[in-house]
Amino acid sequence: ETGVTQTPRHLVMGMTNKKSLKCEQHLGHNAMYWYKQSAKKPLELMFVYSLEERVENNSVPSRFSPECPNSSHLFLHLHTLQPEDSALYLCASSQDIGSGYQETQYFGPGTRLLVL
Amino acid sequence: LAKTTQPISMDSYEGQEVNITCSHNNIATNDYITWYQQFPSQGPRFIIQGYKTKVTNEVASLFIPADRKSSTLSLPRVSLSDTAVYYCLVGPMDSSYKLIFGSGTRLLVRP
Repeated sequence: ETGVTQTPRHLVMGMTNKKSLKCEQHLGHNAMYWYKQSAKKPLELMFVYSLEERVENNSVPSRFSPECPNSSHLFLHLHTLQPEDSALYLCASSQDIGSGYQETQYFGPGTRLLVL
Repeated sequence: LAKTTQPISMDSYEGQEVNITCSHNNIATNDYITWYQQFPSQGPRFIIQGYKTKVTNEVASLFIPADRKSSTLSLPRVSLSDTAVYYCLVGPMDSSYKLIFGSGTRLLVRP
């Protein structure tokens, strides 16, 4: 138990569906992240939020839309996905970003997404 | 951001000490070295972090030579539950969230 929870743990969706992934951290952290981990590929950083403001968007297609309503919750809204978007989507949090030392990131268990 | 190179896979047996070496030849002065562990279908978990010399915690030790161009993660007396992928990351202090995960080292511990 890392203090970061994700729901759902598994999701199957069609290419025309709209769904949302939810992440919640119980650590009092100020920064939250979305990562994508495809089969046999390294983790890819998608989005970074600090104090509810987006600070990084790594050229992610617009069919992925993040939302951070407060520092404890992070959502990833999905629409018109492609089969190649099937992957493990991981949420993480850290106390802050760039505080003068390398922040430890705490990861959730991930959502395994399958796009048909 | 410094690029890292580590072995794709390693095999070991229960009770042995395992050393995983990571090369980071272009490490910058303000870069820290961090290791994460990932079990299948789970998120990575922080193991240890260091800047120079040796760092030890309850899980592992991290050895960093004076030139800092490599680092070695040492796992004492591994068990079956240590079977996982181990990632070496190098990142700057001022943009500490920009962790670049490589392919990692897949460690298999056999009985």
